[in-house]
Amino acid sequence: AQSVTQLDSHVSVSEGTPVLLRCNYSSSYSPSLFWYVQHPNKGLQLLLKYTSAATLVKGINGFEAEFKKSETSFHLTKPSAHMSDAAEYFCVVSERLLDKLIFGTGTRLQVFP
Amino acid sequence: EAQVTQNPRYLITVTGKKLTVTCSQNMNHEYMSWYRQDPGLGLRQIYYSMNVEVTDKGDVPEGYKVSRKEKRNFPLILESPSPNQTSLYFCASRLAGLSTDTQYFGPGTRLTVL
Repeated sequence: AQSVTQLDSHVSVSEGTPVLLRCNYSSSYSPSLFWYVQHPNKGLQLLLKYTSAATLVKGINGFEAEFKKSETSFHLTKPSAHMSDAAEYFCVVSERLLDKLIFGTGTRLQVFP
Repeated sequence: EAQVTQNPRYLITVTGKKLTVTCSQNMNHEYMSWYRQDPGLGLRQIYYSMNVEVTDKGDVPEGYKVSRKEKRNFPLILESPSPNQTSLYFCASRLAGLSTDTQYFGPGTRLTVL
């Protein structure tokens, strides 16, 4: 069975500093992986997805993630945090056989001025 | 504008009083699903539907019902709500292809059962 682990429940950064949100996955197959963002009182928005093409995936709002098969990781990064990045972020793996998404438990990102 | 809408956005009710949360999408998507979000647990799938009149259980279906009589609508029914169903609920839709296709989420419904 596939699963995903988000290694930090909370991450705090200062505005203008880099962001790193960590995600490890477990999969018997070549996985498809996603990052979704949830701003307060909003629905979930797709940031980026990996589906076995380029291992470095660029998303919206300057975010990117790198698929590392050897480390079973799909960490989300951004070079310079903005106040508007404060939100909850979910790493998600696609369960191919069951045709559904498996969500991580989320990482809350705080950005301080 | 392509979107998934949910109503109501907020609901406070009492134990045992039947309620329905509506979900509608305007993207002609075949696949629709319901999730609940609880602190520290992420999103868990309640029910999903591959197309009209085709529904199946997700990971946490107990206490919920769904129906899919039209392609655009996928209501979630709680026939006898209990306090452990207090949660944030999301409806989502995508094309019927693969789970790798982008899933679009509604804005959420915050339900409190007293």
